[in-house]
Amino acid sequence: GENVEQHPSTLSVQEGDSAVIKCTYSDSASNYFPWYKQELGKGPQLIIDIRSNVGEKKDQRIAVTLNKTAKHFSLHITETQPEDSAVYFCAGGGGATNKLIFGTGTLLAVQP
Amino acid sequence: DAGITQSPRHKVTETGTPVTLRCHQTENHRYMYWYRQDPGHGLRLIHYSYGVKDTDKGEVSDGYSVSRSKTEDFLLTLESATSSQTSVYFCAISASSGDTEAFFGQGTRLTVV
Repeated sequence: GENVEQHPSTLSVQEGDSAVIKCTYSDSASNYFPWYKQELGKGPQLIIDIRSNVGEKKDQRIAVTLNKTAKHFSLHITETQPEDSAVYFCAGGGGATNKLIFGTGTLLAVQP
Repeated sequence: DAGITQSPRHKVTETGTPVTLRCHQTENHRYMYWYRQDPGHGLRLIHYSYGVKDTDKGEVSDGYSVSRSKTEDFLLTLESATSSQTSVYFCAISASSGDTEAFFGQGTRLTVV
């Protein structure tokens, strides 16, 4: 079935450094790739998404890149701040099952 | 914030008892979902609904049932709770399935003792 793999499971960076989280997906028909941020005690919230017709999208300090040939996409956070500390989930959607399939999450810790 | 309310927010129940979790939305979105979140597994889809009285199974549906009698409410029932169903449960809604933003509720922490 469809699968989305996410790495790393935990990531610790110093404030001001960059953070990169990577995901791979199995369904070549997937065409929608959102990233969610989950703060402690809250539900996940969308921070950026990308569709298969573009290779990169940027929103201030956050960017997502997509390589459809290799079936992987990545989240890039530059100039990290302590408030970026959270769990981040990637997901793939629009594929054969027409549902969002989530990765297992990355716990990002930004050290002051 | 999207208008999604989950109730209760916390519940402790005994093994073998039935439990119902409620999700209420005010966005009039067609699609509603129930996920469970467990360490190391991320968010796994239990059941989803694509309209009133239209539901289907997700990847971890065993031991769960759902009902949607009106657009705004989606109920998740554990017929006979087991310790393996201890988890955090999230409801989500979306205007279409799989290719647009899903909005999540605040979650329900369920403990089965």
